[in-house]
Amino acid sequence: GNSVTQMEGPVTLSEEAFLTINCTYTATGYPSLFWYVQYPGEGLQLLLKATKADDKGSNKGFEATYRKETTSFHLEKGSVQVSDSAVYFCALKRFGGGSYIPTFGRGTSLIVHP
Amino acid sequence: KAGVTQTPRYLIKTRGQQVTLSCSPISGHRSVSWYQQTPGQGLQFLFEYFSETQRNKGNFPGRFSGRQFSNSRSEMNVSTLELGDSALYLCASSLGDRGQGSADTQYFGPGTRLTVL
Repeated sequence: GNSVTQMEGPVTLSEEAFLTINCTYTATGYPSLFWYVQYPGEGLQLLLKATKADDKGSNKGFEATYRKETTSFHLEKGSVQVSDSAVYFCALKRFGGGSYIPTFGRGTSLIVHP
Repeated sequence: KAGVTQTPRYLIKTRGQQVTLSCSPISGHRSVSWYQQTPGQGLQFLFEYFSETQRNKGNFPGRFSGRQFSNSRSEMNVSTLELGDSALYLCASSLGDRGQGSADTQYFGPGTRLTVL
């Protein structure tokens, strides 16, 4: 079946540090890939997405490139801020059972210190 | 455009009771999906409704059920509550148009925090 594996957290960084959160996936066919962010006490917000191989999704300084050869979709940001502290979820979506069902990773907690 | 809303935000119930959660999708969205989020299991898909019909179902017991109304609002019901049902229940809406393919983006509500005592 489909699966998404994310690096274990928490990831702890100082403000302005470079961020990488690894995400790899297992799926047949050509899924779309997503990163969501969840702030404390809130639901998930879409951060970025990529729908085909070599696509780069980007938003608010975050980027991720759909790498089909390595089945990866790593999240990066050049300079993190304290306000980026949250839990980040990698997800894929592919067709199954009549529609497109998402599969989520376990989430990676990011803590950014001033 | 208003986002996805969920009511109530918090619920406390006791074992054996039943509960109904409500979700109002973004205007124009016809697909509503429900998820259970727990620290131990992460985010797990419960079911999806589209145009008042259940289109997909995750691997949860029959105690978990749902429905969707003609205005796309959805309810989720859990009967005979167990301690393990304590979780954050998230609702997500999307256009649901298969023409979008796997790129159809889901938008999540803030969730309902259910505590079973």
